[in-house]
Order: sequence, then C-alpha cells, then structure tokens
Amino acid sequence: DTAVSQTPKYLVTQMGNDKSIKCEQNLGHDTMYWYKQDSKKFLKIMFSYNNKELIINETVPNRFSPKSPDKAHLNLHINSLELGDSAVYFCASSSGNGYTFGSGTRLTVV
Amino acid sequence: QKEVEQDPGPLSVPEGAIVSLNCTYSNSAFQYFMWYRQYSRKGPELLMYTYSSGNKEDGRFTAQVDKSSKYISLFIRDSQPSDSATYLCAMSESNFGNEKLTFGTGTRLTIIP
Repeated sequence: DTAVSQTPKYLVTQMGNDKSIKCEQNLGHDTMYWYKQDSKKFLKIMFSYNNKELIINETVPNRFSPKSPDKAHLNLHINSLELGDSAVYFCASSSGNGYTFGSGTRLTVV
Repeated sequence: QKEVEQDPGPLSVPEGAIVSLNCTYSNSAFQYFMWYRQYSRKGPELLMYTYSSGNKEDGRFTAQVDKSSKYISLFIRDSQPSDSATYLCAMSESNFGNEKLTFGTGTRLTIIP
C-alpha cells in the first residue's frame, strides 16, 4: 500500500503547455511538500502545506501553483512550461520525524 | 557557499568494506540531521534520523553528529552491493511537522562485488 503516491510518473510536454502533477498520502501526516530535484540530484524545497494552509513558499516562479484540497492531497500546477522546468518533482509528507517521499514525477519539457 | 556541503563522489568500494560519507554545514541553527538513500529512478528513503550531537546505530549503519564542528557522518559496515545508491544528508532547524529540510548534493556510492 503506497504511502505517498504521485501521478503521473513521467510527463513529456512542449514548451508553453500547462500541466498538473497530483500527490496523495495515506499516512495521516499534516504536512505535505513539493521538492524539485535537478539533473545533479540536488533537492530543493518549493512549497509546504500544513492542513491545507500554505506554510513555505520558496522563490518559485508564479507559474507554479500548489493546491491542497485536503490534508491528504497536494497538487502542483505549472503554467507556460519552460525548458528549465525539466526536472524530477517529488512530493513528500511528514509528521516531524523526517519525510516520506513519493517516487517522483520526471518532467521533460521539449 | 551552499548551506550544506557534501562530496558528490562517485565513490566505489569493494564489498565488505566500511564506507564513510560526510557532510558539513554552516547554519548553527540546524538541530535535526538525517540521511536518505536514493536508488536510481526512485524517491529518497529515510535511513537515519538524529537529534543534536552524538551517535546513533541501526544495524550496519551508524550516524554521527558533531555540532561543534558542524560535521555529520554516516558509516556503513560490511557494505553490500544492495547499498549502491546515492546518499543524501539533510538537516532542519525544527521537527514540528512543517520543517524545511536542507539537503546536501548527494554522494553516489557503488559497492563492487
């Protein structure tokens, strides 16, 4: 039974398109996150939500908009995709003793 | 200078060797220290979680934290080919459930059978 699940696993799209990534956790955690991992494996936080409330919003372009309909779900919508958005996007959740990550969404913008 | 520095490797060692992975950091407010293991095309999984300075052992893995030197280590004893992965250190200032983790860049480890 997957603890943090993301869909889709792979996403290939053209520049200028709008796309969404969905994330769901069944761990009962209050906090969910989006992280971006670049080609050098560096993981950087983008957003965090605690019980549907935005807590952390790092310096991320306005084209990225997270949405949390309930505390078990955190989606990421990206407008006007650019080549530089190509990366692996990880969803995670936590209750205060480290994160549980999803398996990632590999986004390729062509 | 990055907040957390980690030697990217790659690091190759023979099976059975002791592996030492290290990170240094600059933010003295970090209190919680973690090591994650990431297999290729998978998400990071939590290996070790420690608070403040000291040692923690779990099977073949030992995590050490020296806050006075701002230096953390992960030791793997009797290394196995299944330990081949990228190892990421991470740290945070709090553990209230909405903490921001700051990661190192990861060390790619290969255990040679």
